[in-house]
Amino acid sequence: AQSVTQPDIHITVSEGASLELRCNYSYGATPYLFWYVQSPGQGLQLLLKYFSGDTLVQGIKGFEAEFKRSQSSFNLRKPSVHWSDAAEYFCAVGAARAGGTSYGKLTFGQGTILTVHP
Amino acid sequence: KAGVTQTPRYLIKTRGQQVTLSCSPISGHRSVSWYQQTPGQGLQFLFEYFSETQRNKGNFPGRFSGRQFSNSRSEMNVSTLELGDSALYLCASSQQGGKNIQYFGAGTRLSVL
Repeated sequence: AQSVTQPDIHITVSEGASLELRCNYSYGATPYLFWYVQSPGQGLQLLLKYFSGDTLVQGIKGFEAEFKRSQSSFNLRKPSVHWSDAAEYFCAVGAARAGGTSYGKLTFGQGTILTVHP
Repeated sequence: KAGVTQTPRYLIKTRGQQVTLSCSPISGHRSVSWYQQTPGQGLQFLFEYFSETQRNKGNFPGRFSGRQFSNSRSEMNVSTLELGDSALYLCASSQQGGKNIQYFGAGTRLSVL
């Protein structure tokens, strides 16, 4: 069974500082990996995704993530955080099917709440 | 292109009642998945529908059910509501045949009193 661990429940950074949110996954084959962001009372917005190929993926809002198979990790990074980045961030893993498609089930981590100090 | 639309946004019900939530996917998307989000359990997968058929199901009791219509719109139903069913219910749609990138609606906040 697939699983996702986000070790940090809450992270606080100063505006302009760099950010790294950790994500570790457990899956028997090559996973499909995603990062989503959720503002209070809202749904989930897709930040970026990894399916295969280049292990460093770029997303929206200046975020990037690096897939490291040897460490089963998919950490999210941003070089300079803005106050508007304060939200909850979720890492998710999806299962691949034969033929390159995926199942419609995502397994999510528990989320990391990001607080940004001015 | 319009995003995923969930209605209603907020619901208040009492124990024992039943409730139906609606989800309209992005135009052209044929797969709809439902998730329950609670502070204690986080985001949990309920079920996925594609072409009016349930293709995948999470570990929830039979009180939770769903269906999909020919226009890909989906509904989920919860019967005999319990206090623990209070949650944000999220719907996501995706295109069939691709990497199943899921786009989420804003959710329906259900409060069971």
